[in-house]
Formats: sequence, C-alpha cells, structure tokens
Amino acid sequence: EDQVTQSPEALRLQEGESSSLNCSYTVSGLRGLFWYRQDPGKGPEFLFTLYSAGEEKEKERLKATLTKKESFLHITAPKPEDSATYLCAVQARRVGGATNKLIFGTGTLLAVQP
Amino acid sequence: NAGVTQTPKFRILKIGQSMTLQCTQDMNHNYMYWYRQDPGMGLKLIYYSVGAGITDKGEVPNGYNVSRSTTEDFPLRLELAAPSQTSVYFCASSYPLGSRSSGNTIYFGEGSWLTVV
Repeated sequence: EDQVTQSPEALRLQEGESSSLNCSYTVSGLRGLFWYRQDPGKGPEFLFTLYSAGEEKEKERLKATLTKKESFLHITAPKPEDSATYLCAVQARRVGGATNKLIFGTGTLLAVQP
Repeated sequence: NAGVTQTPKFRILKIGQSMTLQCTQDMNHNYMYWYRQDPGMGLKLIYYSVGAGITDKGEVPNGYNVSRSTTEDFPLRLELAAPSQTSVYFCASSYPLGSRSSGNTIYFGEGSWLTVV
C-alpha cells in the first residue's frame, strides 16, 4: 500500500535556526514528489516537485532533496513568516501510466519564533 | 487571477440536511478533485474528474456525489449530512501530472469549512 509519513509532527525553531523536515514514502513506483505550504485557514500552496533521486530544488530559504526512500525540506535561517504547515505528497506510477492522484502525508507544523 | 474558487467558505448543517459545495476553476484544467482534510489525518481524496462528463471515486467517497457538466465546474453534493462529514473541504484542479514542465502540480482552492450538528 502506498504510504507517506512526515516527521516531526511539529517543530519549533528560533529565528535563524536551520533545520530539516522529513518525508518518507513507500510507493510501487514514484512518478513525482510534491511539497506544499499551508497557512492557517488557507489551501495548500505549491512549493516544489521532485522527480528522481538526487534531484534538488531551491526557493528562497527552502531547499528540497530526494532519495529513493525519502525527501527532506531544508530550511536555512528561517524567519517567522516561514511558519506554516508543510505537506508532502507523492504521485505513484501505475501500469499503463501514472495516476493523477496524490497521496498526502499528515504534514509538519513549523513555528518560527522571533 | 482567480484560480480555483470555492463557495461557501463556512457552513453549518443539521444532521440529515443536504447541500452542495460549489467549485469553479478558470485555468482550463481537465482534471478536478475534491479532498477533505481532518486534523492529524492529512488530505484524503473524495472524488476526481478527468474531464467533463467523467468522474471517479477516490479514497473516501461514501456520503458524497459529484457531477462534471463543464470543464470549469465540479460541485460536491452531500445528500444526508452526518457528523462524520464535519471537515474542511478543498477543491483542486490540474493538467495531467507527469510532465516536468514548471507549474505541473495540483492547484487548490481556499477551502470550505463544514460543520454538521
């Protein structure tokens, strides 16, 4: 069964204190791994898509990496405005082509204190 | 840019009542989705559609119905509301996933908060 697990569930950082969020996955074949940011009372907002092991993508203070079993979202020198829930999702490969359905993890709630 | 628009934003229903959550997108996406999000449970797919006239069940379809008469609209119908349907509902849309073009992802609406009492 396809599964996505995110850790930790919650993380509290001081402003400027770098850290990483983890997304481990079990799928029959990975087509893509997605990272989203979700602010309270809002819908998820797209950050990155990673497609193959070794791939990395960066946006401002965020850097996403991918291995064959997990992805990391590295946050460098975070600011209070980085506080949000970060969601990871995978798109699985299926016989006959990829499914368009994403399987989501439960998210990591990040709080960055000034 | 409107993107994916959901209405209503908030709604309180009594047990047994029916309602429709409206969703429309202006990005000409063929795929549309309905997810529900419960605390600590992540986003679960209720129904999805690959184009007008075509719908299919997701992980948690029981108690819901959908229709897709146009490319833009994908309403979600709750026929007999139950407390277990208290949740936040997100409509989303996309092109077919899989190509490595920029922006190849699922775009979400702002959510509809539903409470069944």
